[in-house]
Amino acid sequence: EDQVTQSPEALRLQEGESSSLNCSYTVSGLRGLFWYRQDPGKGPEFLFTLYSAGEEKEKERLKATLTKKESFLHITAPKPEDSATYLCAVQGVSYNTDKLIFGTGTRLQVFP
Amino acid sequence: DAGVIQSPRHEVTEMGQEVTLRCKPISGHNSLFWYRQTMMRGLELLIYFNNNVPIDDSGMPEDRFSAKMPNASFSTLKIQPSEPRDSAVYFCASSFEPNQPQHFGDGTRLSIL
Repeated sequence: EDQVTQSPEALRLQEGESSSLNCSYTVSGLRGLFWYRQDPGKGPEFLFTLYSAGEEKEKERLKATLTKKESFLHITAPKPEDSATYLCAVQGVSYNTDKLIFGTGTRLQVFP
Repeated sequence: DAGVIQSPRHEVTEMGQEVTLRCKPISGHNSLFWYRQTMMRGLELLIYFNNNVPIDDSGMPEDRFSAKMPNASFSTLKIQPSEPRDSAVYFCASSFEPNQPQHFGDGTRLSIL
């Protein structure tokens, strides 16, 4: 069964303290891995898509990387406005649809 | 550009009542998705449309749930009769093509008393 596990569930950082969020996945053939950011009371906001092992994407203080078993979201020198829940999702080749399997997210809090 | 638009933003109703949630996808997107989010189970796909045709409804919990997409710019998710365990945030998302990112609306927070 295809599965996505995110860790840690929650992370508290001081402003400027860099860290990484983990997304481990099992899927029978990866079509794509997606990272989203979700603020309270809002829908998930798309950040990155990664398609193959070794691929990296960057946006401001965020950098996403992908291996054959997991993805990392690295946050460099975070600011309070980076506080949100970060969701990881995978799309597998075994699906006959564009179905995404989501992890339960990492809730990040950045304190000034 | 307008994003995915959902209505209502909040709905509170009594058990047994019919509930209809509405979604307007991003113009030009040909795939539309309905999700449910709860603290216990996270985001779960309920049903997916491609070019207005339902493709995968395996996530619809039971016959009380139904979804339609009469045209490319409108979809509804209906619950009849509603039950307290249906309380959740329901999201609609759309994408341009397969393998492209899905863009989400801000959801409908549904409370069934």
